Amino acid sequence: AQTVTQSQPEMSVQEAETVTLSCTYDTSESNYYLFWYKQPPSRQMILVIRQEAYKQQNATENRFSVNFQKAAKSFSLKISDSQLGDTAMYFCAFMKHATGNQFYFGTGTSLTVIP
Amino acid sequence: DAGVTQSPTHLIKTRGQQVTLRCSPISGHKSVSWYQQVLGQGPQFIFQYYEKEERGRGNFPDRFSARQFPNYSSELNVNALLLGDSALYLCASIPGLAGGSYEQYFGPGTRLTVT
Repeated sequence: AQTVTQSQPEMSVQEAETVTLSCTYDTSESNYYLFWYKQPPSRQMILVIRQEAYKQQNATENRFSVNFQKAAKSFSLKISDSQLGDTAMYFCAFMKHATGNQFYFGTGTSLTVIP
Repeated sequence: DAGVTQSPTHLIKTRGQQVTLRCSPISGHKSVSWYQQVLGQGPQFIFQYYEKEERGRGNFPDRFSARQFPNYSSELNVNALLLGDSALYLCASIPGLAGGSYEQYFGPGTRLTVT
């Protein structure tokens, strides 16, 4: 079984500052994908960034980047130049390769960007 | 193009009743997954359907069932409702299971309240 752990229930950051959200996972799979999803108060889940486990290079998407440590089973999200629109719940998610869209989610981190 | 749509938006039911939730995937998407998100938790995987066949099932009782229609829309049925079934039910779609199409597109969800 796969488990995803997010140990920071709530975080806050000043506008324009940088914040890092933590995620660890446990799996015996060697081929998998990791994701960060954002869920604003409007509740629509939006993909933030994706990482393939076989890639050593950390994924980057504009102000969002990850620190993927495969041996440590750690997958943290860094948000640079935080904006008010970044306020949301952030979920870390794991997917085994070739299962299509069967995701395992963490419990989420509520991020508040303070003006 | 329209995104993933779900109906109804909100639903209130009484314990013991049955409920049907509906999901229409993005046009061209052939796989649909269902998730249950209890307040304060991350989404939990319930079902995955691809080409009208069940491809995965999470750890949910037999009271939960689903099906996918020839137009790839899907229904989630829950029988004998319990108070603990109160949650946001999310539907997500992807184009298929092959070719690395692993970005899920989520619908806005159906908020089910069981009294």
